[in-house]
Amino acid sequence: GNSVTQMEGPVTLSEEAFLTINCTYTATGYPSLFWYVQYPGEGLQLLLKATKADDKGSNKGFEATYRKETTSFHLEKGSVQVSDSAVYFCALTRMDTGRRALTFGSGTRLQVQP
Amino acid sequence: DTGVSQNPRHKITKRGQNVTFRCDPISEHNRLYWYRQTLGQGPEFLTYFQNEAQLEKSRLLSDRFSAERPKGSFSTLEIQRTEQGDSAMYLCASSLAGGRADTQYFGPGTRLTVL
Repeated sequence: GNSVTQMEGPVTLSEEAFLTINCTYTATGYPSLFWYVQYPGEGLQLLLKATKADDKGSNKGFEATYRKETTSFHLEKGSVQVSDSAVYFCALTRMDTGRRALTFGSGTRLQVQP
Repeated sequence: DTGVSQNPRHKITKRGQNVTFRCDPISEHNRLYWYRQTLGQGPEFLTYFQNEAQLEKSRLLSDRFSAERPKGSFSTLEIQRTEQGDSAMYLCASSLAGGRADTQYFGPGTRLTVL
């Protein structure tokens, strides 16, 4: 079946540091890949997405590239801010089979210190 | 755009009681999803509707769980004879059909505590 594996947290960084959160997936066919973010006390929000190999999703300074050869979709940001402190979830869906369910990783908590 | 809304936001119940949650999707969205999230984990898919038709159900959706979307607008999720293991955050999401990856927008969730 489909699965998503994320690096365990928490990840603690100083403000303006470089961020990488690793995400790898297992799925046959051509999944679509997503990063969602959950700020404290708020609901899940879509951060970025990529629907085919080599696509790069980007938003709010975050980027992730769909790498089919390594089955990865790592999240990066060049300079984090305290306001980026949140839990980040990697997810996939198999739109090519008509299934709509999102399969999520277990989440990675990011703590950014001033 | 008022977003996805869920009611109630919190529910505390005793084991064995029935509970019902409501989800109102974004108005033009024709797809609606239910997920369950336990502490420290990512959301797990429960079920999905396109308009009023329930098209996909997870094995997690036991016989005690039932979901409806009678007019293709709001949806309800009922849990009968609640168990302590049902304690979780229940999330609703909606999307507009079309394209290769219709984006799911999530509501704030209903937190269920079963005593």
